[in-house]
Parts: sequence; C-alpha cells; structure tokens
Amino acid sequence: KAGVTQTPRYLIKTRGQQVTLSCSPISGHRSVSWYQQTPGQGLQFLFEYFSETQRNKGNFPGRFSGRQFSNSRSEMNVSTLELGDSALYLCASSPSGESYEQYFGPGTRLTVT
Amino acid sequence: AQSVTQPDIHITVSEGASLELRCNYSYGATPYLFWYVQSPGQGLQLLLKYFSGDTLVQGIKGFEAEFKRSQSSFNLRKPSVHWSDAAEYFCAVGARGSARQLTFGSGTQLTVLP
Repeated sequence: KAGVTQTPRYLIKTRGQQVTLSCSPISGHRSVSWYQQTPGQGLQFLFEYFSETQRNKGNFPGRFSGRQFSNSRSEMNVSTLELGDSALYLCASSPSGESYEQYFGPGTRLTVT
Repeated sequence: AQSVTQPDIHITVSEGASLELRCNYSYGATPYLFWYVQSPGQGLQLLLKYFSGDTLVQGIKGFEAEFKRSQSSFNLRKPSVHWSDAAEYFCAVGARGSARQLTFGSGTQLTVLP
C-alpha cells in the first residue's frame, strides 16, 4: 500500500497570507490527524477528522482549520499567517476500529517570511 | 490530560553498544503507547506500539520496549546499535476512546559513534 502523501513538501509564504496543505491517507484509512512540529514547542496535535467530521481539536487559534473529503483526503488551512506558524506540518492516518496507531506522511515544511 | 516525559535530550552511543531510551507517561488509565523515529527532514516512522497484553513488545529494526505500569514507563531498547539508527526518537501516548490524538514527548536525539 502507498503511504501517507502530503503536498506540497515545501512552501514559502509571507505574513498575512493564507495557505492550504493537502494530505492523502493510506488507502482504507478513514481517520486523518494533523500535527505541527516546531523546535520550541515540539509535536503538537492540531485536529483529527473521521468520516468528514472533526472529531477532536487541539489548542490552536481559529486561524487553523481543516476539512476532510468523502475519499478521506484532508486539507488544512492557515489564514493570516504569522512568523510563528513556520513549522513542519505532519499528517497522519489511522485505520478504523481498535487500531490506534497512526502512520505519518513526510510533512510539509512551511516557512513564513 | 496525558503527558509524556523523555528525560534525555541527547544520547551518544558507540556502534554495537546497547541502547535504552527512557519514557515516562502520565495518564489516568492504561494508555496506548508508541515509539516513533524521525530522520532529518522526514516524517515519523512507527517503531512499535503497546495496547494491552504482554508488556514486552517487539518492533521493527530490532527495537523492543517494556511497559511498566508501576513506574509509568515505556523504555525503548536495542541490544546492538547500528550507525543507521542515528535519528530522533519520540515516545507518544494515546488516550483510549474514539478520537485519535497522540501526545508526544520532546524527543531524544541519538548520535552513534563509529
């Protein structure tokens, strides 16, 4: 099976702009989670989607949003970018049922200037 | 809320030596526990997981981990380290329930000397 794919891999944006990141989960996985990784804060949970519904949300401002499509692909959006949003954004997919392990994609490196 | 502590920020070992990376968690019930590895510029790769049952779990690349409820620990071990094991290692805890949300430790950077 193909792994989790994320596009784009690298992105440079300017403060105030908005950005959309995309994630395609492993085939058959219906849960998609997003994480932000920074040197200062480490890995932090953003949100999780399952069957097109947000099931859980981390402690991030409303500028961070996401959605999931009927084919389980997910997007996350960050509006009004700030310098502190520069990070590696990781997407993970998980099978349904009692399998709680998450499989991560390679990430999108976002740089805000 | 759950939390994870990895007390060692950086560990250096010689190739062929044994390795133990420490992880302590805080959670009210029996958690789901994971170890992930991350190479520079890459995503996270799942090494092993503990859900229930046998407290000694085997993973990929020759790694194993032992769940000790009394010590709230889930330490990662490898009997003989290879140069390719140099990477950052993350311990994570997941709460039982429907949502998939992992809480990660701050990571341990492993350097392997030739």
